[in-house]
Amino acid sequence: EIVMTQSPATLSVYPGERATLSCRASQSVGSNLAWYQQKPGQAPRLLMYGASTRATGFPARISGSGSGTEFTLTISSLQSEDLALYFCQQYNNWPPTFGQGTKLEIK
Amino acid sequence: EVQLLESGGGLVQPGESLRLSCEASGFTFSSYAMSWVRQAPGKGLEWVSSLTGSGFTTYYADSVKGRFTISRENSKNTVYLQMNSLRAEDTAVYYCAKDPTARGMATTLWDYWGQGTPVTVSS
Repeated sequence: EIVMTQSPATLSVYPGERATLSCRASQSVGSNLAWYQQKPGQAPRLLMYGASTRATGFPARISGSGSGTEFTLTISSLQSEDLALYFCQQYNNWPPTFGQGTKLEIK
Repeated sequence: EVQLLESGGGLVQPGESLRLSCEASGFTFSSYAMSWVRQAPGKGLEWVSSLTGSGFTTYYADSVKGRFTISRENSKNTVYLQMNSLRAEDTAVYYCAKDPTARGMATTLWDYWGQGTPVTVSS
């Protein structure tokens, strides 16, 4: 199965600053990469799919990039509402697999 | 509005069984593949099982193959997860999730998730 590795495990950023989250796949997944946001006590919510397409309801300050094995989620100007766990997931191969998550903290 | 409501979780002993249900509303249920994804306490997400809109094709993670069975009743807009021979490592919150494409195939991308039902396996 494809192993997804996220870094860093925890990221602390000041409000208004840029946050960059990374996700690496053990083999190419093309652009079949999704990001999910999970706020404390809530279910995951689809944030990004196709590596760079934002899901409904998310602002343009959140963007995704990458293809193949290297992917990035960027939040250009961090807001308090962005406090959450972020998971990447590949849906190119069976079984679908997730990264272990990046916890985004507000400094 | 799409809604997914899971039920059936609880505390069971190792070796026992449990059946989870997920009632859906707000979309044409039979047109969409459905899945179960779980999250162990303080851990990441793990895909468990999926089935197509028709219910004819099912998929399982190796960790549950032979013990869990996914099924659906399109007349009741409900998907089930029958869990047998439960182990301590099955302890998790189980989420029901909907596929985004109305072709009935399982893409393993999920656009809506339920709030989850907790399962604890402990003696």
